[in-house]
Amino acid sequence: SQQGEEDPQALSIQEGENATMNCSYKTSINNLQWYRQNSGRGLVHLILIRSNEREKHSGRLRVTLDTSKKSSSLLITASRAADTASYFCATDLGANSKLTFGKGITLSVRP
Amino acid sequence: DARVTQTPRHKVTEMGQEVTMRCQPILGHNTVFWYRQTMMQGLELLAYFRNRAPLDDSGMPKDRFSAEMPDATLATLKIQPSEPRDSAVYFCASGWAGTVNNEQFFGPGTRLTVL
Repeated sequence: SQQGEEDPQALSIQEGENATMNCSYKTSINNLQWYRQNSGRGLVHLILIRSNEREKHSGRLRVTLDTSKKSSSLLITASRAADTASYFCATDLGANSKLTFGKGITLSVRP
Repeated sequence: DARVTQTPRHKVTEMGQEVTMRCQPILGHNTVFWYRQTMMQGLELLAYFRNRAPLDDSGMPKDRFSAEMPDATLATLKIQPSEPRDSAVYFCASGWAGTVNNEQFFGPGTRLTVL
């Protein structure tokens, strides 16, 4: 199965609400990254958290990492319609910079 | 504004034909990745290169797929012969290995349809 698995598979919220997406993984990691993919486009890197970090912020994004539970969460605060996209977590096992991606979460933000 | 470019953006071909997809990584990046994305399988890593040398192509069907980097500014992915099950979006990504922040920069993808 996937190294990184996101939860839920799909999320629909109202504009202005917060969106929380979760990712679980199986083996020790070097870092964990979140990417966004708009429809018909390539993936765009959002944020990276290293294995020795517990929380990181970037604008309206907040990511946490719990290495004991092998899980991460991505919080988008005050969501906007433009946040509608698929979100992927990717794990770096520290070997050759290869990333393993989950299957993604589809986020819909209703205006 | 440095970005990864891919050509063609769309390709429709018939089963049995050869398909070549091209990627220009961001100048200065030393790793290049080829991914395939489908609804069923999600994003799969096909092959990747560091300093133009292939590091891992275990995700690629060897009998019909081949990936090369003729020079630092060009990566190619070929399918010969193509089959309907190869229909997918193929992404190229580049990055810089050897740093702690090994984010990948993705191209816009090539949408391949094999009839």
